Amino acid sequence: SQELEQSPQSLIVQEGKNLTINCTSSKTLYGLYWYKQKYGEGLIFLMMLQKGGEEKSHEKITAKLDEKKQQSSLHITASQPSHAGIYLCGADIMGREGSNYKLTFGKGTLLTVNP
Amino acid sequence: GAVVSQHPSRVICKSGTSVKIECRSLDFQATTMFWYRQFPKQSLMLMATSNEGSKATYEQGVEKDKFLINHASLTLSTLTVTSAHPEDSSFYICSAKEGLAPVYEQFFGPGTRLTVL
Repeated sequence: SQELEQSPQSLIVQEGKNLTINCTSSKTLYGLYWYKQKYGEGLIFLMMLQKGGEEKSHEKITAKLDEKKQQSSLHITASQPSHAGIYLCGADIMGREGSNYKLTFGKGTLLTVNP
Repeated sequence: GAVVSQHPSRVICKSGTSVKIECRSLDFQATTMFWYRQFPKQSLMLMATSNEGSKATYEQGVEKDKFLINHASLTLSTLTVTSAHPEDSSFYICSAKEGLAPVYEQFFGPGTRLTVL
């Protein structure tokens, strides 16, 4: 079952527009990660958030983790075609055996930026 | 950041054959390695978690006898797809981390595209 809900599933925006992708969990997140990927290629690490209320920025991308550590948003300002790709949120979930943390992913958001 | 490599990057095989994919941590010792698979336009689905020197822990619905995982050393894990069939065609990605706790960053390999004819 998918423990992370990511929305929207796909997004088409015009170049220069701002956009937000959300990631929600019913459980408290120990670590929340954002990655970017083009299908058939590896993952590009964007940001990691651990503390409630934390916010990080890199170039035109900002990610926030809410105070309860159950929801994160990724915001892109003035989008460009180079931002196109699949955005994945991932979180450390305790394994069934209770001794291992495993990084599981949301379903991803396919972003298209039209020039 | 740390580097994780995968070999091969692409493999095409005939139905019924077995394929081995290697995952190596190049500049750190990976206590734990993970194997994911990804179908077109879908997210990464965790298949199994392997700790060096012990048996892998498989996710529900993943066949242990189908996907053999060996984590023989702190820098190498292998995934063997046995008796591959066309439905096994997918993009397989491994990742590695130095320790179990969330504080340890997880580094991903570039992926292996498997096509079974």
